[in-house]
Amino acid sequence: DQQVKQNSPSLSVQEGRISILNCDYTNSMFDYFLWYKKYPAEGPTFLISISSIKDKNEDGRFTVFLNKSAKHLSLHIVPSQPGDSAVYFCAAGLGGSNYKLTFGKGTLLTVNP
Amino acid sequence: GAVVSQHPSRVICKSGTSVKIECRSLDFQATTMFWYRQFPKQSLMLMATSNEGSKATYEQGVEKDKFLINHASLTLSTLTVTSAHPEDSSFYICSATGSTGDTQYFGPGTRLTVL
Repeated sequence: DQQVKQNSPSLSVQEGRISILNCDYTNSMFDYFLWYKKYPAEGPTFLISISSIKDKNEDGRFTVFLNKSAKHLSLHIVPSQPGDSAVYFCAAGLGGSNYKLTFGKGTLLTVNP
Repeated sequence: GAVVSQHPSRVICKSGTSVKIECRSLDFQATTMFWYRQFPKQSLMLMATSNEGSKATYEQGVEKDKFLINHASLTLSTLTVTSAHPEDSSFYICSATGSTGDTQYFGPGTRLTVL
């Protein structure tokens, strides 16, 4: 049973436009959420996180939105750049930490010049 | 900073043999290390969590006698896949956290193919 779902396996966006990656979760006990970015042949790298006490966290071009009632979070990248092309994983943790994370399957983002 | 390496990056072995994968934190002391497995088009699945000097905690459904984890120092953890079978073929990734536990830093992964 997939507790963290990324229903779009891929997304293609034009450079300069907004990229919106979505993630849904089923376990209401999750209280910490993270986004990781992964390039081919490399391990995932941490991008941004949000605690369940917040509904928005922003870091430069990256903003994560959390809708607890809908058990949904999204990552907005604006403006998108070709270097953002990668697989993005959504992950969820318990106890307010990134310990024992549950990952989604990932979404491949392609930003076209 | 916060670099995690894995060795080897790719390994092919015969069925029935054992394979050891190393995970090292290069520039920080990893109090906790995690081992994940990823099958094609699937998510990263946590296999086990290990703290330096103590036994690993395995997730449900992961055989501890088959996947031996040793975390002998603050910079090194090893995963040994014993008596490997073709169904063990997968992508194995480790991650590590420092004393603050803020972020998991991931290694580049090891592609295991069992013939």
